[in-house]
Amino acid sequence: ETGVTQSPTHLIKTRGQQVTLRCSSQSGHNTVSWYQQALGQGPQFIFQYYREEENGRGNFPPRFSGLQFPNYSSELNVNALELDDSALYLCASSSGLAGVELAQYFGPGTRLLVL
Amino acid sequence: AQSVSQHNHHVILSEAASLELGCNYSYGGTVNLFWYVQYPGQHLQLLLKYFSGDPLVKGIKGFEAEFIKSKFSFNLRKPSVQWSDTAEYFCAVNVPATGTASKLTFGTGTRLQVTL
Repeated sequence: ETGVTQSPTHLIKTRGQQVTLRCSSQSGHNTVSWYQQALGQGPQFIFQYYREEENGRGNFPPRFSGLQFPNYSSELNVNALELDDSALYLCASSSGLAGVELAQYFGPGTRLLVL
Repeated sequence: AQSVSQHNHHVILSEAASLELGCNYSYGGTVNLFWYVQYPGQHLQLLLKYFSGDPLVKGIKGFEAEFIKSKFSFNLRKPSVQWSDTAEYFCAVNVPATGTASKLTFGTGTRLQVTL
């Protein structure tokens, strides 16, 4: 059984650019959540995808968007990058809606630096 | 808004000392509770979880946590820490988000440093 994988591991972009981060969920998991972890902070919920639909969203602007594919992998897209977007982006997967008694399992993250 | 508080930001212990990390949450409804650990250079790993039933839950590597509903607390404990327990520990609460999703709300983390 493979765990959650993310790519790339590191990324450097400049302000105003766009970025796409990718996540493959753990085998058997159909729900993917994305989190942003700034330095010295706990992860902050961005949004969740379930069966290819956005299923809930945290307090992030619309320039943060995502997709989920039929194989349950997911992308996080960020447009018009700002310096404050520099963070570790984490993907977590779970088997079904996380509102039920299910745990989320995290990938290693993508560290994004915006210059 | 829901929140999770971890009062200890940095804890330094000698090997074999006992550990207790505090976690309090503010949410009046039913919650699922978690502790995650992040070892240096590694990703977040689930340490233990509470959904219902016995409020004393046991996790991996000898860790346990006790859910005290009246205190809105879910403190993490280990009787005897090892140097390899050096890591950052995050308490998290699963609460309803927008739509039908639930999100994990994390505390700011506690950095544990175990000295030999």
